[in-house]
Amino acid sequence: EAGVTQFPSHSVIEKGQTVTLRCDPISGHDNLYWYRRVMGKEIKFLLHFVKESKQDESGMPNNRFLAERTGGTYSTLKVQPAELEDSGVYFCASSLRTGYLTDTQYFGPGTRLTVL
Amino acid sequence: RKEVEQDPGPFNVPEGATVAFNCTYSNSASQSFFWYRQDCRKEPKLLMSVYSSGNEDGRFTAQLNRASQYISLLIRDSKLSDSATYLCVVIRAKGGSQGNLIFGKGTKLSVKP
Repeated sequence: EAGVTQFPSHSVIEKGQTVTLRCDPISGHDNLYWYRRVMGKEIKFLLHFVKESKQDESGMPNNRFLAERTGGTYSTLKVQPAELEDSGVYFCASSLRTGYLTDTQYFGPGTRLTVL
Repeated sequence: RKEVEQDPGPFNVPEGATVAFNCTYSNSASQSFFWYRQDCRKEPKLLMSVYSSGNEDGRFTAQLNRASQYISLLIRDSKLSDSATYLCVVIRAKGGSQGNLIFGKGTKLSVKP
C-alpha cells in the first residue's frame, strides 16, 4: 500500500513569490493534516481536513496560507506571497477514522521550503 | 511555557546501554500520548502509543503518569539503528482541536559502537 506522498520534496523561492505544496494521503483516509517545522522549533499543527471539509484551521499562521482538498482526495497548501519566516519543512499526515484519538497518523516525507 | 517539554539531548550512549527519555505536558486536557521517532531529514513515524498502565514493545517501554503529567520512554539494549530523534506527542481531547498532534521538540539519541 502506498504511503502519504508529498510534492515537491524541495522548493526554493524568493520572497514574494507563490508556492503550492501538494499532499496525496493514503487511499481511503478521510483525515488529512498539515504540519510545519521551522528551524529550531517543534513540529506544529496547521490544519485538519475531514474529507473535503476543513475541520480545524486554528494553526494556520495568517491569510497568506490557503489549503484546499477538493473532492476529498489530495490536498494543496498555497503560500502567497511567501515570506522569509515561511521557510521550513511542511509535513502532511493522514489517518483513517474520525473521532478516534488514538488513530495513527501517517506522515509524508515532507516538503522542504526555503524562501530567500 | 511549551505545551510539551523534552530534554533536547543529545544522549550519546554505547551499544547495549539502557537509556531513558522523559517528557512533561502542561495541558491536563491531554488525552492521548505517543512516542514518535524521526530519523534525520525524514518524516516522523509512530514508535508506540503510551497508556496509563504502561506498555512494552520489545526493547521499548513507555510509561504515563497522569497525576504528574509525565511520560517516559525506556530503551534497553540500545542498537546503532536506534539513533534518531524521539518526539513526545500528545492529543488534547477537549477545549481545542481534537485529533491534531502536539509535538515536543524531540530528544536526540546517538548510539555509538
